[in-house]
Amino acid sequence: EPEVTQTPSHQVTQMGQEVILRCVPISNHLYFYWYRQILGQKVEFLVSFYNNEISEKSEIFDDQFSVERPDGSNFTLKIRSTKLEDSAMYFCARGGTTQETQYFGPGTRLLVL
Amino acid sequence: GEDVEQSLFLSVREGDSSVINCTYTDSSSTYLYWYKQEPGAGLQLLTYIFSNMDMKQDQRLTVLLNKKDKHLSLRIADTQTGDSAIYFCAESNSDSNSGYALNFGKGTSLLVTP
Repeated sequence: EPEVTQTPSHQVTQMGQEVILRCVPISNHLYFYWYRQILGQKVEFLVSFYNNEISEKSEIFDDQFSVERPDGSNFTLKIRSTKLEDSAMYFCARGGTTQETQYFGPGTRLLVL
Repeated sequence: GEDVEQSLFLSVREGDSSVINCTYTDSSSTYLYWYKQEPGAGLQLLTYIFSNMDMKQDQRLTVLLNKKDKHLSLRIADTQTGDSAIYFCAESNSDSNSGYALNFGKGTSLLVTP
């Protein structure tokens, strides 16, 4: 099954700035996920999105984070006011034809200075 | 939260079999997965197993699950240099309303030497 695509591949931002990470294009899928991987650490679940609503979120996914699917296709992760510790690789994943499978995009590497 | 543990590093010679081990603590895990990550790339789903199975084979890959001991292994037969990557074990606890959030281990770096 094809993986999702993500943009940008890399982003450098100043602390306190807002960033928007995107999964594009996506159609006809119900489940979407965001994960992050801080350098040298394990991949961590952030949030799952089902039928255009957040279905589950982790402790990491605080008020600084939001997700939406604004045009019914792109799936975005917004970080409102970035912190140094938000520097990580952010992966989008979509559910497969069976609910238990997830297919990951190549990731966006975010660096907060 | 629940833990997923893996050894950090494994080195094998080309042509040998590799066995990557994983233990988990969540007794209600429904599915267990193996993902592969090559340098600079995303996570590639290699294979997964439902918790009521004890073995799954897919070409060179064999997954063994010991549910009693909460132990999962991935065997790669005839390991090639292209198999060098980080292998992540993951588990999910299915909930039809919430999807299948994956809980990952820290990954095992597999190095295949000629």
